[in-house]
Amino acid sequence: KNEVEQSPQNLTAQEGEFITINCSYSVGISALHWLQQHPGGGIVSLFMLSSGKKKHGRLIATINIQEKHSSLHITASHPRDSAVYICAAWFEDSNYKLTFGKGTLLTVNP
Amino acid sequence: NAGVTQTPKFQVLKTGQSMTLQCAQDMNHNSMYWYRQDPGMGLRLIYYSASEGTTDKGEVPNGYNVSRLNKREFSLRLESAAPSQTSVYFCASSEASISNQPQHFGDGTRLSIL
Repeated sequence: KNEVEQSPQNLTAQEGEFITINCSYSVGISALHWLQQHPGGGIVSLFMLSSGKKKHGRLIATINIQEKHSSLHITASHPRDSAVYICAAWFEDSNYKLTFGKGTLLTVNP
Repeated sequence: NAGVTQTPKFQVLKTGQSMTLQCAQDMNHNSMYWYRQDPGMGLRLIYYSASEGTTDKGEVPNGYNVSRLNKREFSLRLESAAPSQTSVYFCASSEASISNQPQHFGDGTRLSIL
């Protein structure tokens, strides 16, 4: 069964801390997506990766295909980073379908 | 750029009523999707349209119908609303239905069925 698990479910940090959110998936994938959902509800795509590492500003996403695991890191966290971060996998046996994790609620306090 | 526009943003219905959620994108994308988001669960695909003229069921299609009106517009219809369909509905689009294309989301429609 195609499954995506995220941890932790909730994460509270102090401004400036280094944040790591984890994502694991059950079987082979074609690509892994990281998305951000702000309190107002809008969802924005942050990264897509199928190997290695990508960086955009203070956000870094990595993936280990052999271990079926991806991480999203936020350096020098800021209160504006507070959001739900969602991992989604495009499984190799999928028919045009992303499978989404339940999300990680990040709160960064000033 | 408007991106993906969903209407309405909020709606309250009574059980048994019908309604259509509208979605339009201005990015000339070929593929469009309808998802629902429920507390404690990940986004789940209701229906998708890989290209104009085609629609296919996703993970949770029961109780819904869709229409890909043209390349820009993809509507979701609830024929006889049920309380179990209370949810936040998101429309998304992508250039193509392949794994390395990002999906662009609308702001969501918050639907309550009483």
